[in-house]
Amino acid sequence: AQSVSQHNHHVILSEAASLELGCNYSYGGTVNLFWYVQYPGQHLQLLLKYFSGDPLVKGIKGFEAEFIKSKFSFNLRKPSVQWSDTAEYFCAVNERMAGKSTFGDGTTLTVKP
Amino acid sequence: DTGVSQDPRHKITKRGQNVTFRCDPISEHNRLYWYRQTLGQGPEFLTYFQNEAQLEKSRLLSDRFSAERPKGSFSTLEIQRTEQGDSAMYLCASSFEGFAYEQYFGPGTRLTVT
Repeated sequence: AQSVSQHNHHVILSEAASLELGCNYSYGGTVNLFWYVQYPGQHLQLLLKYFSGDPLVKGIKGFEAEFIKSKFSFNLRKPSVQWSDTAEYFCAVNERMAGKSTFGDGTTLTVKP
Repeated sequence: DTGVSQDPRHKITKRGQNVTFRCDPISEHNRLYWYRQTLGQGPEFLTYFQNEAQLEKSRLLSDRFSAERPKGSFSTLEIQRTEQGDSAMYLCASSFEGFAYEQYFGPGTRLTVT
């Protein structure tokens, strides 16, 4: 069965620090990859997505992610975090021809002002 | 674009009671998904519809759970004879058909079974 692993459960950073959140998945076929963000009190929102093409994808609010097929990874990065980035971040994968997405357990990011 | 809406937002029920949740997807979307999320975990897939057809159900969806999307628009998720282990956030999402479209999530219905 497909699974998604997010390595860090809770990350605490100071403003302007760089961020990298790890995501690995287990599935050998063609996949779509997503990062979702959930700000406090809000619902899940799409941060960025990868379907095909350039493995380095850029999303909203300065976030980017790199798909490394050989490592089954899709790590999220941001060069300089802000206090407003405090949220929970979820990596998700779906098989290319399937409907459902499989989510990781999330990483809670706390950015200290 | 009014987004995905869910009703109610919160539901408290006693063990053994039946509950029903409603989801209204984004109007142009023909796929609708249900997920369940418990504290400290990511959303877990329950089932999804393409138009009115239920295309996949998770093993998590026991026979106490049933979902419908009778006219291919809104959907309902019913839980019969609720158990304390059913306490969770129930999320609905919708998308266009096809592999190149992301899912848009609603705010969820938080169920507490006492």
